[in-house]
Order: sequence, then structure tokens, then C-alpha cells
Amino acid sequence: NAGVTQTPKFQVLKTGQSMTLQCAQDMNHNSMYWYRQDPGMGLRLIYYSASEGTTDKGEVPNGYNVSRLNKREFSLRLESAAPSQTSVYFCASSVRALSYEQYFGPGTRLTVT
Amino acid sequence: AQSVTQLGSHVSVSEGALVLLRCNYSSSVPPYLFWYVQYPNQGLQLLLKYTSAATLVKGINGFEAEFKKSETSFHLTKPSAHMSDAAEYFCAVSDLSNTGKLIFGQGTTLQVKP
Repeated sequence: NAGVTQTPKFQVLKTGQSMTLQCAQDMNHNSMYWYRQDPGMGLRLIYYSASEGTTDKGEVPNGYNVSRLNKREFSLRLESAAPSQTSVYFCASSVRALSYEQYFGPGTRLTVT
Repeated sequence: AQSVTQLGSHVSVSEGALVLLRCNYSSSVPPYLFWYVQYPNQGLQLLLKYTSAATLVKGINGFEAEFKKSETSFHLTKPSAHMSDAAEYFCAVSDLSNTGKLIFGQGTTLQVKP
């Protein structure tokens, strides 16, 4: 099993450009999450999807949108990138919401200039 | 609301020495607690978790953590550090909603000196 996969691994954008970060899991998990990691701030939740067909805002949703395309895939879109969105983005999944244990992808390192 | 505080953003130990990484949590009800490890340029990997079954939890790579309700702590320990333990460690607490959200601490970077 590949677990949680993310594409791309690296991306450089200019301010104002848009892009979509892709995430897929092959563990038949119900819940999926998007985090951003910044130095000294741990991981902060951007959006989550507790189950297929539902999405909700996390701690830092401004400037982002998400789509739970199906049970396997959960994408994160930046409509108009800003330098403040320079970060490492992680996707995670869990079996179901109440199991809590999350499995993480390898991350996408995004730089906005 | 739940929260997590990790004391010390950087911890340095010698190879073979005791590793102690501190985590305190705030929760109105008994929480689920986790320690994750992140090696350079990788995602997070679960080390261990506390889900109220036992207060002393053993994880992978020789790590363990003890849940102390009276101290609201969940410190991570390993008796003897190895060079391969150098990484960033995150403590996390569940938010107890049915969404499975986790609240992470700021992280502690462990340096292991030869």
C-alpha cells in the first residue's frame, strides 16, 4: 500500500497564481485533513473532511478551498497565492473520525514569491 | 478548548543519554494524546498514543510516554538516545469532536550528539 500520497512534492508560484495540491489515500479511510506547517508553529489545520461529501473549515482556512472528490481524494486549492502561504502542506487521513490516529503524506513544499 | 504545550523547542542530548521531551495538555475531559516524529523532509509518523487503556504507553523505536492526569502531562522518554533519533517531535491532543481533529504542539527538535 502506498498510504497517503501527495503531489507535487515541490512548487514555486508567483503571487496571484493559482494551483491545486492533490492528496490520495488507499487505506479506505473516511476522514481526511489538510495542514500547513510553519517553523515554530507546529501543524495547523486548514480544512478537513470527516466523511465523503462533507468538508469543514479548520483553524486557518482563509485563502484556501477544498474538494473531497471521492473517498480516496481530497484536494486543496489556492485561488490567488500570497507570500504568506509559503509553507509545507501535509495531507492526512484516519479510519474514521473517532479513531483519531492520523496517517500523514510526505508533504508539499510551496514557495510563493 | 483543548491545547498542547511542548516545553523546549530544542533539546540536545548525548548518544546513550536519557531522552525526555515534555508535553502538557489542557482538556476539559480525559483526552486522547499522541506523539508523532518527523524526520527531515518527511511526513509525520505516529510514535505512540494514549487512549485511556493504560497510563504508560510504549511506542516504536524504544520510546514510551506516561499519562499523568494530576499533572496534565504526557512526557516522552527513551532510556538511551541513538543518533537516528534526531528529528522533530510533536505532541498532539484530540479535540474530542466526532471529526477526529488533532491539536498539535509547536514541536521539539531533538539533537543527538556523538
